[in-house]
Amino acid sequence: DAKTTQPPSMDCAEGRAANLPCNHSTISGNEYVYWYRQIHSQGPQYIIHGLKNNETNEMASLIITEDRKSSTLILPHATLRDTAVYYCIVRSRKTDSWGKLQFGSGTQVVVTP
Amino acid sequence: GAGVSQSPRYKVAKRGQDVALRCDPISGHVSLFWYQQALGQGPEFLTYFQNEAQLDKSGLPSDRFFAERPEGSVSTLKIQRTQQEDSAVYLCASRRTGGIEWASTDTQYFGPGTRLTVL
Repeated sequence: DAKTTQPPSMDCAEGRAANLPCNHSTISGNEYVYWYRQIHSQGPQYIIHGLKNNETNEMASLIITEDRKSSTLILPHATLRDTAVYYCIVRSRKTDSWGKLQFGSGTQVVVTP
Repeated sequence: GAGVSQSPRYKVAKRGQDVALRCDPISGHVSLFWYQQALGQGPEFLTYFQNEAQLDKSGLPSDRFFAERPEGSVSTLKIQRTQQEDSAVYLCASRRTGGIEWASTDTQYFGPGTRLTVL
């Protein structure tokens, strides 16, 4: 069962903000939204996560809608190094034994000069 | 600092050969995961270790796949009698905490993966 829906690809101009949407309409109250990214030929890398409130760290911002059915990952000033596949993942201790990650197909983001 | 390392980075095997893929997790990490990533797809869970105990092997696709972590650190994923459909990137990840009481802030750290090609 797909827990999240993401567009397969999107382009972004270098220096501009990249806004990556994710739909998780069946999310339950105890499930967190996580974002990972995978640069070509590397393993996935944690970016950020949140439950209800918006979150910000040195890499990105996460905006979660009030009904929690969707979220947006924001890369404020995209660089060429941000070209990667971005995965939106929904998880909780109740649904994901041991904390394993259930990846979908993600969004291929290409940052162009 | 040292992250998760995997070896070899690339492996080419003839159909029917056995292969062994190694994962060195971050020192002191209790949890270790193996994932399989087919071309153009997201990683899929294979198996989970808490220290030396394999607590979940529900994702292993067949009995040709076997994983071990005998001393609770280094892990090996072995595939016997490889088939073409086994061609994929095999990713290892470790996490500081173990068990089901993981906190939302407990991050999984991934290695670079081993790309297996079965001819």
